[in-house]
Amino acid sequence: AQTVTQSQPEMSVQEAETVTLSCTYDTSESDYYLFWYKQPPSRQMILVIRQEAYKQQNATENRFSVNFQKAAKSFSLKISDSQLGDAAMYFCAYRSSNYGGSQGNLIFGKGTKLSVKP
Amino acid sequence: EAQVTQNPRYLITVTGKKLTVTCSQNMNHEYMSWYRQDPGLGLRQIYYSMNVEVTDKGDVPEGYKVSRKEKRNFPLILESPSPNQTSLYFCASSRTGLGGYGYTFGSGTRLTVV
Repeated sequence: AQTVTQSQPEMSVQEAETVTLSCTYDTSESDYYLFWYKQPPSRQMILVIRQEAYKQQNATENRFSVNFQKAAKSFSLKISDSQLGDAAMYFCAYRSSNYGGSQGNLIFGKGTKLSVKP
Repeated sequence: EAQVTQNPRYLITVTGKKLTVTCSQNMNHEYMSWYRQDPGLGLRQIYYSMNVEVTDKGDVPEGYKVSRKEKRNFPLILESPSPNQTSLYFCASSRTGLGGYGYTFGSGTRLTVV
């Protein structure tokens, strides 16, 4: 079964600085998708960024980018020019691309709580 | 507006009193799912549905029931709630059960069972 591990329960960053959140995963599949979700205090789950495993190019969305290392099964999220509104819980998630054991379900890590200091 | 609507947002109930949390999506998504979120445990899947009349257990299905009689609705039923079901619940939908589509989440239901 696939697993997702976020080893940093909490992180802190100074406003306008850059922070990287770590995520590793375990899978025997070669084709899958990876996601980062943000959960602010409003508790709404918001999709931040998505990566397709068959694409070597790292995904980027404005100030958010990923470092996808397929061989190492690593999928870190980099937030540049951090803003107060970035303070939230961040979840890494994995989704299989086929009818494998996870049936296309999103498998989440336990989350990293990011604080942004003014 | 494309969305997943969950109700209620907050619910306090007593042990053993049956309750239903409703979930509806307006995006014609085939796939729907329920998760519970607990501190330190992340989000764990309760049940999911690949399409109408097709449901299956997730990782933590005990004490829950679901049904999918219409494409847009996927209610979560707690027949006899217990305090260990106190949690934050999310309904989510996706275009299909396969591929790289992300989930659209509802706003969550904070359930307290006393």
